[in-house]
Amino acid sequence: DTAVSQTPKYLVTQMGNDKSIKCEQNLGHDTMYWYKQDSKKFLKIMFSYNNKELIINETVPNRFSPKSPDKAHLNLHINSLELGDSAVYFCASSHVEMDGYTFGSGTRLTVV
Amino acid sequence: AQSVSQHNHHVILSEAASLELGCNYSYGGTVNLFWYVQYPGQHLQLLLKYFSGDPLVKGIKGFEAEFIKSKFSFNLRKPSVQWSDTAEYFCAVRGGGNKLTFGTGTQLKVEL
Repeated sequence: DTAVSQTPKYLVTQMGNDKSIKCEQNLGHDTMYWYKQDSKKFLKIMFSYNNKELIINETVPNRFSPKSPDKAHLNLHINSLELGDSAVYFCASSHVEMDGYTFGSGTRLTVV
Repeated sequence: AQSVSQHNHHVILSEAASLELGCNYSYGGTVNLFWYVQYPGQHLQLLLKYFSGDPLVKGIKGFEAEFIKSKFSFNLRKPSVQWSDTAEYFCAVRGGGNKLTFGTGTQLKVEL
């Protein structure tokens, strides 16, 4: 069983489009995250949700909107995609202040 | 704010050589420290973590790390590397709140 699963694994789309990435965890964790990994492998947190509540919102363009329908899911919707949005997006989950994060396998987004 | 520095960006070793990757963090309070590994094309996996207690922690695959509070360091070590250790290694720190901040990563290449 995959602990943190993301779909799709690859996403190629044109500038200006709107796309969504889905994330689900079956670990019973109460906190979920979105990280962006750029072409230089730098990982930066974007959002964090705890029990469906937004607790971390880093400096991210408001074209990015996370949605958490329940504590096992955290989706990322991106409007008006730009070339600079091309990256690998990782979803992760954890127990609050208890353990390390468990990461999903990533979604490689390419904007052309 | 917390931050992490990894000074070695690229490391090339021969098989059986010993490995030490540097990690320094900046945070004034209690921290949790982590090392993650990312094999080519894969997601991040937890190698080891430090929360409290014995400052020398052992992780998977023969890796260990030592927390030296006075130096704000958490260096990763392995006595004898293998070709399969070729990967990107990330140090991470969690200070206040539940935000995990990553270093810029160290690309390790092990040659046969």
